[in-house]
Amino acid sequence: EVQLVESGGGLVQPGGSLRLSCAASGFTFSSYYMTWVRQTPGKGLEWVASIKQDGSEKYYVDSVKGRFTISRDNAKNSLYLQMNSLRAEDTAVYYCAKGSGSFDIWGQGTLVTVSS
Amino acid sequence: EVVLTQSPATLSLSPGERATLSCRASQSISSSLGWYQQKPGQAPRLLIYDASNRATGIPARFSGSGSGTDFTLTISSLEPEDFAIYYCQQRSNLPRTFGQGTKVEIK
Repeated sequence: EVQLVESGGGLVQPGGSLRLSCAASGFTFSSYYMTWVRQTPGKGLEWVASIKQDGSEKYYVDSVKGRFTISRDNAKNSLYLQMNSLRAEDTAVYYCAKGSGSFDIWGQGTLVTVSS
Repeated sequence: EVVLTQSPATLSLSPGERATLSCRASQSISSSLGWYQQKPGQAPRLLIYDASNRATGIPARFSGSGSGTDFTLTISSLEPEDFAIYYCQQRSNLPRTFGQGTKVEIK
């Protein structure tokens, strides 16, 4: 079964850090771009970052550049999102998704809450 | 940034009726548009990619059309499980962007 499972969300104070993980199974992880998308009630769905198959190219939405880092470990079939200098507006459900253009597989999401 | 505007915000229909959802892009994106369905507490699910191609396992009652700046998702005959929120998303440019969604609710 093709599956993505996120973990690592939680409550963090403004200015803090969090690392999200996404475990992939059921497909050849190393053959695909991977992406993080977040969702809030106010802003809806927002693309956050994408990473090329070998990790050589990474793309970010402007609002997270310099604060978030996307990475992957193809040997572990895993995708990561290191989030630093977190702000209240980063509060969202974070999804990992397969692909860079159209996202055909999504995880169930992990909730990140930034609050004091 | 490509802004996607979906209309209407809410569509109230009965099972068996035809649903027509619109997505307009702020600039031409060729056919680089997808549609997603999202139900409460679930992740989005890809329905249509590249404007008119159904994703794997998507029923034939879902169809997409359009190119350039105007796109349409049509559900030919609504089934009970189709009542949900639908989002369009463009893959023409970075950043990838989504529309604000159309809620299809039971009338």
